[in-house]
Formats: sequence, structure tokens, C-alpha cells
Amino acid sequence: GQQLNQSPQSMFIQEGEDVSMNCTSSSIFNTWLWYKQDPGEGPVLLIALYKAGELTSNGRLTAQFGITRKDSFLNISASIPSDVGIYFCAGRNSGAGSYQLTFGKGTKLSVIP
Amino acid sequence: DTEVTQTPKHLVMGMTNKKSLKCEQHMGHRAMYWYKQKAKKPPELMFVYSYEKLSINESVPSRFSPECPNSSLLNLHLHALQPEDSALYLCASSQPRRYSSYNEQFFGPGTRLTVL
Repeated sequence: GQQLNQSPQSMFIQEGEDVSMNCTSSSIFNTWLWYKQDPGEGPVLLIALYKAGELTSNGRLTAQFGITRKDSFLNISASIPSDVGIYFCAGRNSGAGSYQLTFGKGTKLSVIP
Repeated sequence: DTEVTQTPKHLVMGMTNKKSLKCEQHMGHRAMYWYKQKAKKPPELMFVYSYEKLSINESVPSRFSPECPNSSLLNLHLHALQPEDSALYLCASSQPRRYSSYNEQFFGPGTRLTVL
């Protein structure tokens, strides 16, 4: 089946630093989604990407859909304490199971004030 | 309104109990999902409903029984669960597959289930 490799698994950064995380897939996706999850809460959609090469921003967050359609990255600029949480990438293709998202294993972000 | 709501927030039940989880959305979405999430793991898909009909069952044990009474509501009926079923249960909704270009899934806050 499809697999997503998300890295890094965890990261500790100083407040104000920029953050970068990425996901790579063994197969092509038509959609990439990035979610943030706080402890005990549901994932919150941050950015959705639909076209290869697409670069989309949401405030201090920027995400890109890789040209090969097998990867995506998420950048967070000038991190703040409330950025703490687990970030998941998720990919979807338009095949027979197109309702299904394939999730990465998550990147746990810790911000040191 | 871009919110998916879930009740209850927390649920503790014995292995012989029958309980139900509820999910509601008013975004006009016609696809709704149940996921199970264990600690430090990504969500795992359990069921998908499209236009109120069960579209996908990911080989979930029959002690979990989904129901979609209408386009806004999704229930998950629980009976004779095992302690290993303890997890965060997430509901999500999206536009259905025919609108496949725009089917971001929006998640609810989840129900934290503990089976004793």
C-alpha cells in the first residue's frame, strides 16, 4: 500500500526560529493536506494543496506541492509557543479509494520560549 | 459554519455496556467519516458514508456499528468493546467524491473512549 514518510519525527526549536518539515510518498498524490493536532483534540486543517508546484500560505505557514507529486513540505516562520503540537501531512489520489487519506506519522513540534 | 461537533467529549464504559458516539456537521458535506486514533499515531480510517450510504468499511469488528440517520448526523454504536478499543474516536466530513477537487476533510474534536 501507499506509504508516507514524514520527517523529522520530532523537533525542538527556540521561539522565533523557522521550522521546516516534509513528507515523501512512494506513489503520486493529487491532493496534499497539512493538519495540526493539539493533545486531546482533533486535527485542524492548515493548508490544502491541489496542483503540482503549488505554493500556498496561511499566515506564517507556507506549504508546497512537489513537482513530482510525491512530496510536500510545510514551513513555519518565526515560531511562537502556540505552534506546539503534532503536524500531520496527508495525501489523497483520485483512484478507486479516493475518499481515503494516507497520513504521515506526524512531526511533534516543541517550542522553547 | 465550518465546525464538526462530537459528543460526548469523554466516555468510560465497561465491556458489557452499549453506548453511542455522535457527530454533527452543518457544512452541507455529503461524506462523513469515522476514524480511530491511538496515542502518538495518525488517525486510522474506520468507515466512510457518502450520501448517507456506507461506502467504505475498513474491516472494522462488528462491535462497532455506524449509522447515518441524515446528511448532517453520524453515529457510532458501541457494544461489547475490549480494553484495546480505548482510543480517540474522530469524526470528519467533506464534500463527496464527485467534487473530488475540493474534498478537504474537516475533523471534529473527538471522543476520548476508555474501555474498562
